Parts: sequence; C-alpha cells; structure tokens
Amino acid sequence: NAGVTQTPKFRILKIGQSMTLQCTQDMNHNYMYWYRQDPGMGLKLIYYSVGAGITDKGEVPNGYNVSRSTTEDFPLRLELAAPSQTSVYFCASMDFAGGQNEQFFGPGTRLTVL
Amino acid sequence: DQQVKQNSPSLSVQEGRISILNCDYTNSMFDYFLWYKKYPAEGPTFLISISSIKDKNEDGRFTVFLNKSAKHLSLHIVPSQPGDSAVYFCAASALYQGAQKLVFGQGTRLTINP
Repeated sequence: NAGVTQTPKFRILKIGQSMTLQCTQDMNHNYMYWYRQDPGMGLKLIYYSVGAGITDKGEVPNGYNVSRSTTEDFPLRLELAAPSQTSVYFCASMDFAGGQNEQFFGPGTRLTVL
Repeated sequence: DQQVKQNSPSLSVQEGRISILNCDYTNSMFDYFLWYKKYPAEGPTFLISISSIKDKNEDGRFTVFLNKSAKHLSLHIVPSQPGDSAVYFCAASALYQGAQKLVFGQGTRLTINP
C-alpha cells in the first residue's frame, strides 16, 4: 500500500496562474480532506469529501475548488493564485468505520505564489 | 475562535527524561482526541488517541491523559529519545454537519537533547 500520495512536492506559481494539486489514496477510504498549514499554525481544513460525488467546504475554502469522481482521487484546484495561498498543502483520508477517527496524511505539496 | 490550543510553541527535554506536551480545548462535543507527530518535509503521522469516555490511554512510551472537567489533555513520552524530536499536533474530532472532522492545535516543537 502506498497510502496517500500527493503530487507535485513543490511548485512555484505566479500571481493569477492556476494549478491542480493531485491526491490519491489506495486504502479505499470513504473520507478525504484537504488542509493547508501556514508557518507556526495548525492545519486548517479547506475542503472535504465523504464519498465519490460528495464534497463540502471546510474552514478556509475561498480560492479553491475540489471534485471527487472516484473513491481514490481528490484533486484540489487553485484558480487565480494569490500570495495568500503560499502554504503547505496536505491531503488526508480516513475510514469512518475505523473507530479512532484517525486520518492518514500524504507528504504534502509546498506551494509558493510570487 | 480557536477550539484547540497548544500554548507552548516549543519544548526542550533531555534524553531519557519525561516529555509532557499539553493541549486545551473548548468544545464539549469532541468525541476523540488524537496526537500527531510531524517531521520536516513529511506529512503528520498518527501517534496515539483517546476516546472522550476514557481518561488515559497508553501505548509503549506514549501515554495520553484526558481531563474532561478541565478540558485538557496531555501527552507523556517516557523515556524521551532523540528520534522523538519533531512537531507534535493535538487534534480533536467531532461529527459536524454530517461529517467527521478534525480540529488541530498550532503544534509544539519538541527537541530532545543528548
């Protein structure tokens, strides 16, 4: 099992550009999440999904969009990148029936917007 | 409104001694509390959790204590080892708007000195 994988690892964008952060999990988890982590801060929830075809906003959704067409994939789309979106982005998945509510995280994507 | 707080940004402990990391929360609806460990350039990894109906959970060198009346939990690491040097995040889980979500604290950077 690869667990949760994210691509790319690093990216530099210019203001106004767009990109998609990829996330794939091979654990057949129903729940998937996108977080951002700013320096000295905890993880903030951007979007989440409870299953294929179902997504909803988290705490900080502005400037982002998601889709979930399959159980495995949960891409995060940035439209019109802004410097405020410079952050480290983590994708996570969870098996809701697992009991401990433990989320499994990918290695992260470090994004810089200049 | 920060629902989960880790008031110590950093902690330095001598190898072999006990490390105690603290976390406070405000929401009585949290049903699980989790600790994650994070190394640089990696995603958070799950360490240990505790249900809100328990007051202690132990796993090897790691013990989590929950004081519901004080809305406080702590992670004890005994004995501390150099490999324990990392950032530790406290997280609280709740079912909110039909989905299980985690709320994270800001993290505490633990340094174990030889």
